[in-house]
Amino acid sequence: AQSVTQPDIHITVSEGASLELRCNYSYGATPYLFWYVQSPGQGLQLLLKYFSGDTLVQGIKGFEAEFKRSQSSFNLRKPSVHWSDAAEYFCAVYSGAGSYQLTFGKGTKLSVIP
Amino acid sequence: DVKVTQSSRYLVKRTGEKVFLECVQDMDHENMFWYRQDPGLGLRLIYFSYDVKMKEKGDIPEGYSVSREKKERFSLILESASTNQTSMYLCASQTKWQGGFNTEAFFGQGTRLTVV
Repeated sequence: AQSVTQPDIHITVSEGASLELRCNYSYGATPYLFWYVQSPGQGLQLLLKYFSGDTLVQGIKGFEAEFKRSQSSFNLRKPSVHWSDAAEYFCAVYSGAGSYQLTFGKGTKLSVIP
Repeated sequence: DVKVTQSSRYLVKRTGEKVFLECVQDMDHENMFWYRQDPGLGLRLIYFSYDVKMKEKGDIPEGYSVSREKKERFSLILESASTNQTSMYLCASQTKWQGGFNTEAFFGQGTRLTVV
């Protein structure tokens, strides 16, 4: 069965600093990978997704992620963090037809220092 | 605009009560899901449905049941609420498998349920 690991429970960065959130997945075939963001008290919003092709994908709000098959990773990055980026971030994997479900990591909470 | 609506943002129920959480989507999606979210545990799948009247157990179905009588509506039922079911509940919908690209899940705003 597929699984997702987000090694960092909580990260604090200063506004304007760069950000990288780590995600490792376990899945035998080519995975379909997602990053979602959850602001306090809200549902989840899709930031970006990877299905195939270019391993560097661009998302909303200036985020990008890079798929590295050799490292089973799909890390999320942003060059300059804004205070409004403070939220919880979830990586997820979808194994494709017949499975239906997303498997989520446990999330990384991002705090931003002004 | 895509929309998944959960009937309540906050609910407080007593132990032993039967609780219904409702979710409606307006995207004509085949797949619908109920997740439970707890601090440090991420999102865990309770049940999902891939068609009307069809349901499958997820990772933590114990103490829950679901109903999908219409394509747009997916209900989560706590047969006899207990304090350990205090949590955030998230509903999601998704189109059926179409070769990959359109399989993102859309989430509702969540229902924070407190069982006292």
